Amino acid sequence: AQKITQTQPGMFVQEKEAVTLDCTYDTSDPSYGLFWYKQPSSGEMIFLIYQGSYDQQNATEGRYSLNFQKARKSANLVISASQLGDSAMYFCAMREGRGGGADGLTFGKGTHLIIQP
Amino acid sequence: GAVVSQHPSRVICKSGTSVKIECRSLDFQATTMFWYRQFPKKSLMLMATSNEGSKATYEQGVEKDKFLINHASLTLSTLTVTSAHPEDSSFYICSARLGQALNNSPLHFGNGTRLTVT
Repeated sequence: AQKITQTQPGMFVQEKEAVTLDCTYDTSDPSYGLFWYKQPSSGEMIFLIYQGSYDQQNATEGRYSLNFQKARKSANLVISASQLGDSAMYFCAMREGRGGGADGLTFGKGTHLIIQP
Repeated sequence: GAVVSQHPSRVICKSGTSVKIECRSLDFQATTMFWYRQFPKKSLMLMATSNEGSKATYEQGVEKDKFLINHASLTLSTLTVTSAHPEDSSFYICSARLGQALNNSPLHFGNGTRLTVT
C-alpha cells in the first residue's frame, strides 16, 4: 500500500487564486512528520513546510499553509494568492518514527501545478 | 543559500563506464546522507542511506554492487554507478539533514545529477 497518496497528477490554476494540493498518508506510527517540497523544472527540491503529528495547530509559512486533518490522515498544502513562479512539481513526504535514527523521507508521486496568467 | 552541493549536475557517459557523483554538505557535518533516484515525471525513490564511517544501507531492490556509496568524511558522500547501462539513466539527487535527527528537521537536497548513459 502506498504510504503517501497525491491524487492530482496535474492542476491548472489562474494566477492570484488559492490552490489546494491534496495529500493523504498511511501510517500506524503515532509519531510522524509530514513535509511538502517544491521541485521546479531545474530539478532542485525546495522545502516548503512541515507538520508534526502532535502539532495542535496547522503549520503556516508565508503563503503556504498545511490543512492537517489527522483523523482523515490528510495533509493538504494550501498556496494563497498563487504566482506564476509557483508553477512546479509539488511533493508530499512523510517521516515515520521519532526521528532518533537516520530516517529518509517517503515521497508521494507529486502534483504538477501550472499557474496561468 | 544552498546547504547541500551536488556535482556534476549533468553527465553523459558510454555504456560500461562508471560515473561518480559527489554530494557535499556545506558548513555543516552530515553523518547521514540519503540518495534518491527520480524517473521522469515520477516520485523520488530512496535508494540508500549513506552513513559516515560505515556501510551504506540499501533499500530493497537496489543493487549495492551497482551503486557504490562511500561516505568517508562528515561532509562528503559519493555515489558511483558502476558499469552503467542505458537503464541507469535517471535523475539522482542526494540529501542531508541539517541539525539534529529530529522528526521535524527537513532534508535539504542537492540540485541533482542528470545521468544519461548512451
